Amino acid sequence: QLQLQESGPGVVKPSGTLSLTCTVSGGSISSSSHYWAWIRQPPGKGLEWIGNIHYGGSTHYIPSLVSRVTISVDTSKNHFSLTLISVAAADTAVYYCARQSATRLNYFDPWGQGILVTVSS
Amino acid sequence: QSVLTQPPSVSGAPGQRVTISCTGSSSNIGTHYDVHWYQQLLGTAPKLLIYGNDKRPSGVPDRFSGSKSGTSASLAITGLQAEDEADYYCQSYDSNVNGWVFGGGTKLTVL
Repeated sequence: QLQLQESGPGVVKPSGTLSLTCTVSGGSISSSSHYWAWIRQPPGKGLEWIGNIHYGGSTHYIPSLVSRVTISVDTSKNHFSLTLISVAAADTAVYYCARQSATRLNYFDPWGQGILVTVSS
Repeated sequence: QSVLTQPPSVSGAPGQRVTISCTGSSSNIGTHYDVHWYQQLLGTAPKLLIYGNDKRPSGVPDRFSGSKSGTSASLAITGLQAEDEADYYCQSYDSNVNGWVFGGGTKLTVL
């Protein structure tokens, strides 16, 4: 059974860099049929897709974050990562990683448990 | 302001049927992009509930059903149970945003 687990700092200073890793277990990240995605949810608010990556390295990012976000993959460690630079309070959120179907369906399943990242000095 | 519009809240008594709408446009639901639904119980990660407009993953009760028509989609829950109390989100792709989008979410209260 495929499982995803986010890890990284829970607090990041304003103007700093947010770095998270999602470790995939129970399956290979080197799947041609899937993307690997990051989604975030500010406290008390809805879900926002941030971006995704294919194991071959191709990426897609939400236009509003494209200048600040990078998603990378390490197939040898079976994990993928999110880097968000120049963070502000508005970036405070629970960050989820998820597997995304690379077929026409494009749904997210399964999801990691999520990690709360607070931007605060 | 979400690209996909959902009612903020719906409610129903145990045993009743409720529906949650997801209204989009010609750049998302109104084209060939499929709609998917997620259930988020309090304090937990979202879970896939319906995919491809009307398909249920293994393990999801048949009390949950989805449909799509024109620029809108709907999630129906029959035989409402206390454990269905959660936030529900629709999701699709939007060609104007050039990315995947979620509805704003609907809080279901079981009275």
